[in-house]
Amino acid sequence: KNQVEQSPQSLIILEGKNCTLQCNYTVSPFSNLRWYKQDTGRGPVSLTIMTFSENTKSNGRYTATLDADTKQSSLHITASQLSDSASYICVVRDDKIIFGKGTRLHILP
Amino acid sequence: EAGVTQFPSHSVIEKGQTVTLRCDPISGHDNLYWYRRVMGKEIKFLLHFVKESKQDESGMPNNRFLAERTGGTYSTLKVQPAELEDSGVYFCASSQGAGTGGLSPLHFGNGTRLTVT
Repeated sequence: KNQVEQSPQSLIILEGKNCTLQCNYTVSPFSNLRWYKQDTGRGPVSLTIMTFSENTKSNGRYTATLDADTKQSSLHITASQLSDSASYICVVRDDKIIFGKGTRLHILP
Repeated sequence: EAGVTQFPSHSVIEKGQTVTLRCDPISGHDNLYWYRRVMGKEIKFLLHFVKESKQDESGMPNNRFLAERTGGTYSTLKVQPAELEDSGVYFCASSQGAGTGGLSPLHFGNGTRLTVT
């Protein structure tokens, strides 16, 4: 069973709207958690990193949150743009790097 | 700086043939990783080099897969003989920093899409 579960599996929203992607993990011990963005046909690119002591971190229109007690993270995208259409992958590190399956986000004009 | 480059971008081979994938990491990155994504599944770890040494190869599916990193620069991943279940996207990533618990991000190549028919 994968130790990093993401939801929803896919999401369609209109341009300009906000959305939130979820990541639940059971990886323990826990070093850090990253959100990656993967455009079609490209490799994943890091958006944010959260360590155990951090609760929230922003990168432009992307804001990641982390609750280490409940082992949950979210990625909030504000004022979505067409270029946000991609897969968003939650990746958790202990002594290994564990990937979630990703959420496929489609932004419609 | 140049990113991680992978070659070829696509490869279609018949079952039983051999394929060699190449990865050129970012210059100066000691850590090099191979990953694979099978359709509908998550990205899964294959192995990790630190310079020219295999740090962890626990993800290699079987002895049909052979990875090398001669001289600690580029790496190759050979599949011989290829089977249908080997189809997927093979990603290479590199990073600075010590080990897998570090804070350095993985820098991914665009992957090699392998199709075995």
